[in-house]
Amino acid sequence: SYELTQPPSVSVSPGQTARITCSGDALPKQYVYWYQQKPGQAPVVVIYKDTERPSEIPERFSGSRTGTTVTVTISGVQAEDEADYYCQSADISGTYPVFGGGTKLTVL
Amino acid sequence: EVQLVESGGVVLQPGGSLRLSCAATGFTFDDYTMHWVRQAPGKGLEWVSQISWDGGRRFYADSVRGRFTISRDNSENSLFLQMNSLKTEDTALYYCGKGDSSSSGIVSWGQGTPVTVST
Repeated sequence: SYELTQPPSVSVSPGQTARITCSGDALPKQYVYWYQQKPGQAPVVVIYKDTERPSEIPERFSGSRTGTTVTVTISGVQAEDEADYYCQSADISGTYPVFGGGTKLTVL
Repeated sequence: EVQLVESGGVVLQPGGSLRLSCAATGFTFDDYTMHWVRQAPGKGLEWVSQISWDGGRRFYADSVRGRFTISRDNSENSLFLQMNSLKTEDTALYYCGKGDSSSSGIVSWGQGTPVTVST
């Protein structure tokens, strides 16, 4: 079955830039979404369709892609950004959504 | 404002059945694909099922195909998940999600309803 690969954890100090990657063979052909999930809360979309940011999400969140890897970048990380981040896309057919395993972002 | 409110989660034994519901408000329900996603305790997100705006296309994860059935009632702005032959590994928080237009993403999420399958 199709898989998306994320690093289990990323750590940064406040004010630094955090980059969380997601890799998958079908990524060049499918849109990618990024979700933020804080403890005890439902996921929230922070990036949709690769690079679009919902209006309520701070500008410090951005999305990019290079080949089979996509990245969510958080510029000037704040303590409130500490959370689990999940990428999500679809398999090569575009039919079945798939989630990455999640990355725990720690703000030191 | 989009609101999705799940209900129906309970504690039950393996082999049992359960129907989850999701009430949707704040958007034109029958314009959108809807999803169920689950999260086992301490684990990541797992997509479970999706249904097209008119109910004509339904897809399932391998882990639930043949046991779960997704449905919707557009007249009631409601989404459902019928869960049969439940297993302990189905224990999770089940989220209802509003799909993005013309793509696989989920742009709005409910708060989830917990399902525990245990002896």
